[in-house]
Amino acid sequence: DVKVTQSSRYLVKRTGEKVFLECVQDMDHENMFWYRQDPGLGLRLIYFSYDVKMKEKGDIPEGYSVSREKKERFSLILESASTNQTSMYLCASSFGQGIWSYNEQFFGPGTRLTVL
Amino acid sequence: AQSVTQLDSHVSVSEGTPVLLRCNYSSSYSPSLFWYVQHPNKGLQLLLKYTSAATLVKGINGFEAEFKKSETSFHLTKPSAHMSDAAEYFCVVTRNYGGSQGNLIFGKGTKLSVKP
Repeated sequence: DVKVTQSSRYLVKRTGEKVFLECVQDMDHENMFWYRQDPGLGLRLIYFSYDVKMKEKGDIPEGYSVSREKKERFSLILESASTNQTSMYLCASSFGQGIWSYNEQFFGPGTRLTVL
Repeated sequence: AQSVTQLDSHVSVSEGTPVLLRCNYSSSYSPSLFWYVQHPNKGLQLLLKYTSAATLVKGINGFEAEFKKSETSFHLTKPSAHMSDAAEYFCVVTRNYGGSQGNLIFGKGTKLSVKP
């Protein structure tokens, strides 16, 4: 089975802190994604990556950055956390060359981040 | 433009009765289609996928969906609901062009409640 793990299930941080969310997949997938999920807004794509050291902005990249130094790991960074970044963060991965594939994504369990 | 519409934001059924969650899509090509399930405070789990093979697709936990091109629909059904089916369900379609949104278009979700 594909396994996507996220470093924390629940996280509480203070405004202005730098926050790292880590995601690891064990299936040698080329593509990795970060979403945030908010009530009434659904899933929104923050950043994605189709190869090591490659990254692409999604719908809502402002206030976030990412890092993909190894194929299996994709990190989301909140440079200076703000209260409007309180949300559920979901990481996903998929196989196949190129983002524009017909392949499904496999999701991690999510990290519920609260910024006070 | 491509889109996916889940026709009901909330569906309530009694345990043991059939489940029908409706999904319509619009696309100028033949996409892949998926249904995902999300239990509270969990990640998304793939229920089933359609990738242009058989139009009736069987998934996990007794769910199935039928792809109807003429109706542009991909409704999810289950003959008999179980209490453990209570969750949110997402209909998802692949996108056929590049852009900032990634390769998947998510519906807004349907919350399924199951009464004893």
